[in-house]
Parts: sequence; structure tokens; C-alpha cells
Amino acid sequence: DIVMTQSPDSLAVSLGERATINCKSSQSVLHSSSNSNYLAWYQQKPGQPPKLLIYWASTRESGVPDRFSGSGSGTDFTLTISSLQAEDVAVYYCQQYYSTPLIFGGGTKVEIK
Amino acid sequence: EVELVESGGGLVQPGGSLRLSCAASGFTFSLYWMNWVRQAPGKGLEWVASINQYGSEKYYVDSVEGRFTISRDNAKNSLYLQMNSLRAEDTAVYYCARDFFSGGANSRIVFDNWGQGTLVTVSS
Repeated sequence: DIVMTQSPDSLAVSLGERATINCKSSQSVLHSSSNSNYLAWYQQKPGQPPKLLIYWASTRESGVPDRFSGSGSGTDFTLTISSLQAEDVAVYYCQQYYSTPLIFGGGTKVEIK
Repeated sequence: EVELVESGGGLVQPGGSLRLSCAASGFTFSLYWMNWVRQAPGKGLEWVASINQYGSEKYYVDSVEGRFTISRDNAKNSLYLQMNSLRAEDTAVYYCARDFFSGGANSRIVFDNWGQGTLVTVSS
């Protein structure tokens, strides 16, 4: 099974500042034939189901603000919120979809400093 | 608009059974892999099971293999999860979730639409 490790567990960022969340997979999720990384990011606000933000490691889902961006390849990935807004307070999860079992990272809680 | 509505959760004793349902609307249900994902109270997300468009391919997390059965009825636009031999560690909110990829050919699944979830509590 592919293990997904997120860091940090939580972070506090001032409004308008950058937030960076890391996700590391125990084995590569890069599919060589397609050169695509099978990595997605989700946002979950309190009392709500998760919301898909990014897939293929860096493709934003429709309607997701462009302050959210994903990067990385192979085993190391990053979700960046370029200018934190109050509505971005949430827990963020990465997920690999390279193989079953489909595994989520442990989550990173983002708060306002 | 895509809508997924789960039902069937509740309190059940250890060793008991429960059947969850998910009613889908707003999209062509028969084109999509469908899934169950759970979240224990205060914990992270855990994928539980997936089923292909035809019901012919099913995948489960090891911890529920042999106890849970995922199924679907395309005529009724409905997804199900039969849960037997329930344990305390199965206590969670269970979400129905759709695969992002219409006509997806494999179990490489991104969850693009989620229901609000149904709470399953396993306790004596």
C-alpha cells in the first residue's frame, strides 16, 4: 500500500500570507506512460463534506480560486494557498489514486494567525 | 446539479448489520464509478469501497473486506453499502462520493462530488 504523509499537521497563517502544505507518498504516483501524477487535494470545512480542489497534482477543479495551486512530482507534492483568506480555514487532505487502496494523507489544519 | 443523499445510518450493536443507501441525481449515474468514504469522529478520511459502472468490479479497503458489500442499481440511480459484523472501529460518517472521471475505465478514482454523509455508530 502507498502511504501518504502530510506535513505539518497544522499551521497558522496571517490573512493575505502564503500557506504551504506538503504531501509525501511512500512510492511514486507518477504514471510513466502518461507522465501524470495521480495525486489530488481536497478541502474540508467544519461540518461539511470534502471538496475537490486539485487533481493530476496541479490541475484546479472548475470554480476553485487561482490562489490555490498544486505542484510536485513523483513522491513529493505541495499545495500552496498564495494569499490566505478567512474562508480558507479548513483541513486539507492529499489523496493518491495511482493504486488501490486509495489512500488519503492525515490532513493539515489551516488556521488564521 | 449533482446531488448525492445518503441514508440508513444509525446506532447498531457490535456484530450487527446495517445497509446504507445513496440516492443520486443530476447526472447520468450509470456512467460513473461510485464510492464510499468514511470519517471517524475527529479523524481523517478513509476510502472504504468502490464499484464500477456495471457493478462487475468492486474494491475494498482490507479492514472491511468480507464484511462489507458495495452494490448499485443503475435503474434506481442508487448506491448501497451492506455492512455486516460491525465493529466499534467502524463508527464514522459514511460519505457517498462520485468519481471525477465520466466513463472511467479503472479504479484510479478522484472524488469530485460528495453527499453530506450518514453517521454510523457501533456501540453496545
